[in-house]
Amino acid sequence: ETGVTQSPTHLIKTRGQQVTLRCSSQSGHNTVSWYQQALGQGPQFIFQYYREEENGRGNFPPRFSGLQFPNYSSELNVNALELDDSALYLCASSSTGWTDTQYFGPGTRLTVL
Amino acid sequence: KQEVTQIPAALSVPEGENLVLNCSFTDSAIYNLQWFRQDPGKGLTSLLLIQSSQREQTSGRLNASLDKSSGRSTLYIAASQPGDSATYLCAVRLDAGGTSYGKLTFGQGTILTVHP
Repeated sequence: ETGVTQSPTHLIKTRGQQVTLRCSSQSGHNTVSWYQQALGQGPQFIFQYYREEENGRGNFPPRFSGLQFPNYSSELNVNALELDDSALYLCASSSTGWTDTQYFGPGTRLTVL
Repeated sequence: KQEVTQIPAALSVPEGENLVLNCSFTDSAIYNLQWFRQDPGKGLTSLLLIQSSQREQTSGRLNASLDKSSGRSTLYIAASQPGDSATYLCAVRLDAGGTSYGKLTFGQGTILTVHP
């Protein structure tokens, strides 16, 4: 059974650019959640996808968007990057919408210059 | 709005000491509470999950307790080792009646250093 994987590991962008981060969920999991973790802070919930539909969103602007594919992998897209978007982006998968334990990937470190 | 606070923010102890990390939350209508470990620049590793109906969970040298009515949880680490050095995060999931979906609300973490 493979765990949650994320790509890329590190990414450097400049302000105003757009970025796409990818997540492959654990085998058998149909739910993916994305979190943003700024340095020295706890992770903040961005949104969750269940069976290809967004079914929950945290306090993040619309320039944060996502997709979930039929194989339950997921993408996080961020448009018009700002310096404050620099963070570790974590993806977590689970087998149901909200009842099951979430398993986290290693994260993508995004630096915005 | 659920808020989660962890105390202390940082802790440094000599090897072999028993220690307690604290977590408090403002909304007691939780579904479960989870403790995670995070090594520098890495993802989260789940340590213990306590359902709202449970009082404690144990795994090896780790014991987590939950007092839902007072909004508190503690993580007890026995006989600490240098390999325990990491950031420890607690996270709560609201009860099914809320619109929390699968959202976890995290504390800011406690940075633990165990020196030889």
